[in-house]
Amino acid sequence: GAGVSQSPSNKVTEKGKDVELRCDPISGHTALYWYRQSLGQGLEFLIYFQGNSAPDKSGLPSDRFSAERTGGSVSTLTIQRTQQEDSAVYLCASSWGTSGGPQETQYFGPGTRLLVL
Amino acid sequence: GEDVEQSLFLSVREGDSSVINCTYTDSSSTYLYWYKQEPGAGLQLLTYIFSNMDMKQDQRLTVLLNKKDKHLSLRIADTQTGDSAIYFCAESKDTGRRALTFGSGTRLQVQP
Repeated sequence: GAGVSQSPSNKVTEKGKDVELRCDPISGHTALYWYRQSLGQGLEFLIYFQGNSAPDKSGLPSDRFSAERTGGSVSTLTIQRTQQEDSAVYLCASSWGTSGGPQETQYFGPGTRLLVL
Repeated sequence: GEDVEQSLFLSVREGDSSVINCTYTDSSSTYLYWYKQEPGAGLQLLTYIFSNMDMKQDQRLTVLLNKKDKHLSLRIADTQTGDSAIYFCAESKDTGRRALTFGSGTRLQVQP
């Protein structure tokens, strides 16, 4: 597609349920990133994929959070046993993934707004 | 402390210039970015600058980088009401860690 797309755009869930968030990166981009934007915390990095592997998972806040990427394209972020503090906008970004320079410029999707009741 | 800091709010009149400031602490920052976020929308890349540059101009946008003081600014000339948004500066490092570190964002309000 022309840009990064994410689905769903909004998700309301009950505390304790699992949720899956999807990201479709820009075609040809090998690097994919997940960030979280929450009130009082700003924009936080969660995880980075290069191809299907995740060399940097340092931002995942707990073992309830996991992500995978298949076929070097679509990625899914899964939050198990959701808590109210997981409420945030989850942003996905992608880049060409080459070694440095403007090719690393990250382009963001519109985000998924998650509300945990 | 925060790696990247910005003031929270800026109000200007339409037609004036806006200057949004950002400071960062890590001298190994290699690339610095400005993103714009409009209400309910994702982050839109405005411009970026390499750390070996001190100025970059792109139409109404001018980015100034003072590497000695670790200070970055974004100047918007002839500010319009459509420029009202939150502006984020972000840094990245060419060290293999690709994550961006963002500031808290500056809300720009343009008054007609």
